Parts: sequence; structure tokens; C-alpha cells
Amino acid sequence: AQSVSQHNHHVILSEAASLELGCNYSYGGTVNLFWYVQYPGQHLQLLLKYFSGDPLVKGIKGFEAEFIKSKFSFNLRKPSVQWSDTAEYFCAVNLSNTGFQKLVFGTGTRLLVSP
Amino acid sequence: DTAVSQTPKYLVTQMGNDKSIKCEQNLGHDTMYWYKQDSKKFLKIMFSYNNKELIINETVPNRFSPKSPDKAHLNLHINSLELGDSAVYFCASSQDSASGIEQYFGPGTRLTVT
Repeated sequence: AQSVSQHNHHVILSEAASLELGCNYSYGGTVNLFWYVQYPGQHLQLLLKYFSGDPLVKGIKGFEAEFIKSKFSFNLRKPSVQWSDTAEYFCAVNLSNTGFQKLVFGTGTRLLVSP
Repeated sequence: DTAVSQTPKYLVTQMGNDKSIKCEQNLGHDTMYWYKQDSKKFLKIMFSYNNKELIINETVPNRFSPKSPDKAHLNLHINSLELGDSAVYFCASSQDSASGIEQYFGPGTRLTVT
């Protein structure tokens, strides 16, 4: 069965530190990949997405992610985090051949950025 | 101008009761979803409707019954509530049901069953 793993459940960083959150999925076919963010008390919002083309995807607020097909990974990065990046981050995968969109989410990574 | 709204935001009820959660989207989208997020933050799809028709129905107990009176609304009715139903329920919508289309999420409804 398709699954998504986020190995870092809790991450604590100081402001200006670099961030990398891991995401691995298990499916051998074509996938669409997403990172969603949930700020405290707010909705899930899309940070970035990968469908095809350049495997390095840039999203909002300075985030980027790299799709490495051989490693089944889609890690999220940011060179310098801010206190306002404190949030829960979810990786999600969608099979592109199902006809209907069905997102499978990872368990999330809680990021705390201290000022 | 809330894109996807849910009511109520919080719901506390006792075991055995029947309750409903409402969802509305004003984005003109064709497809709507219900997700359940458990206490460990695991988010899993429950149902999906496209143009008022059910297209995804995960292995959800029959006590859960979604209803879509029109494209803009997808309600979730839960019968005979159990302790394990305690969770945050998120509604979402997307332009259509094709793969890869961004989903827009509502603020969630925190259901607590005592």
C-alpha cells in the first residue's frame, strides 16, 4: 500500500538556522508530491507541489523541495528559518493514475523555531 | 471571504449521540473531501464527492454518512458516536477530481466524544 513517512516528528531550531525535513514515500509509479503547512490554529495551506519537470521546486515563504526519484524522497528545505515558521508540516503524495485525487499524508513534523 | 468553512469549530458530545458537521466552499470547486486527523496528527481521507456524487469512500464505518446537497456543500453525519471518533475533521475542496490539483482545507472541527 502507498505510504508516506516523515521521520522527524519534532524539530527545534533557532532563528536563522537551516531546515531540512525528510519525506519518503513508497510507490513505484508516477506520483504528485505536496508539502502542506498548518500554522497554529489555522488551516492547512499548500507550501509547494511537484507534478513534473524540474525536480527542484520553489514554494512560498522561501521554502523549496527536491524530488529525488531514485530515493523516493521529497525533502523540504529552507536556508534560514524564522520564528513565524513555527508550524506543523505535512508531506503528501497523490497517485497520478488513479483518476481521482486521493492524497496520502505523512504523520507530520512539528517545527518550533525559537527567537 | 473564507474559502472553505466548517461548522461547528468545536463539538463535545456523549457516546451514543448523533451529530453533524457542515462544510461549505465558495470557490466554485467541483470536488469536496472529508479527512480525519487523529490524536497523533495522522491525516486520512474518508470521503470524496465530485459534483455531488460519491467517488471515494475509504473503509469508514457505516455510522459515518456524508451528504452533498449541492456542489458547494458536503456535510458529515455521524450516528452512535464512539470514543474513537474523537478527532479533528477537516473538509477540503479542489477544482476537480483530477490528480494533482491543489486542495483547499477548512479550519477543522474538533470533535470530542465523552
